Amino acid sequence: GQQVMQIPQYQHVQEGEDFTTYCNSSTTLSNIQWYKQRPGGHPVFLIQLVKSGEVKKQKRLTFQFGEAKKNSSLHITATQTTDVGTYFCAGGNQAGTALIFGKGTTLSVSS
Amino acid sequence: GAVVSQHPSWVICKSGTSVKIECRSLDFQATTMFWYRQFPKQSLMLMATSNEGSKATYEQGVEKDKFLINHASLTLSTLTVTSAHPEDSSFYICSARVPSPPGPDTQYFGPGTRLTVL
Repeated sequence: GQQVMQIPQYQHVQEGEDFTTYCNSSTTLSNIQWYKQRPGGHPVFLIQLVKSGEVKKQKRLTFQFGEAKKNSSLHITATQTTDVGTYFCAGGNQAGTALIFGKGTTLSVSS
Repeated sequence: GAVVSQHPSWVICKSGTSVKIECRSLDFQATTMFWYRQFPKQSLMLMATSNEGSKATYEQGVEKDKFLINHASLTLSTLTVTSAHPEDSSFYICSARVPSPPGPDTQYFGPGTRLTVL
């Protein structure tokens, strides 16, 4: 079945450093979504990418969708302690039904 | 954005009892809701897709007789864990599909229900 792989599983950075998490799908996706889950909280929708090669920015966060629509990345510039949490990518299949979640990347930031 | 609520947020029960978890879309109608479970420090695993007015679609390996799903209205889906056992202890999260034209649908998640079975 369809699989979505995400790396790294954990990442620790010093405040101010950059951070990137990568997501790869075994199949072509119709769209990819990114979520953030704070410790003890629930996933919160960040953004959705639909087009091949699409790049979207939200302040210090940059999201990319690969040309083949099988991979994606989230890059955070100059991390802050408020960026702490687990970032999940979730791929939508061509049928546009349920999302398949990656295992997530847990980011910790020390000041 | 769309708001999804879940009740209860936390429940402890004895082994062998049944527990019902409610998922409500507060300010929109959701024809489709999803139920996930999440073990500590792990990702969300889709359990089933709940469609209003029809039977739920379960993922492979999920026992439909154990995890009963009822989507009785456009704003409410319920998950009942029947004859719960300690291995059913987990974080159960629902989400509701929200159309986002012209792009694909997005999902908004409830706050989750932490189930502990003693």
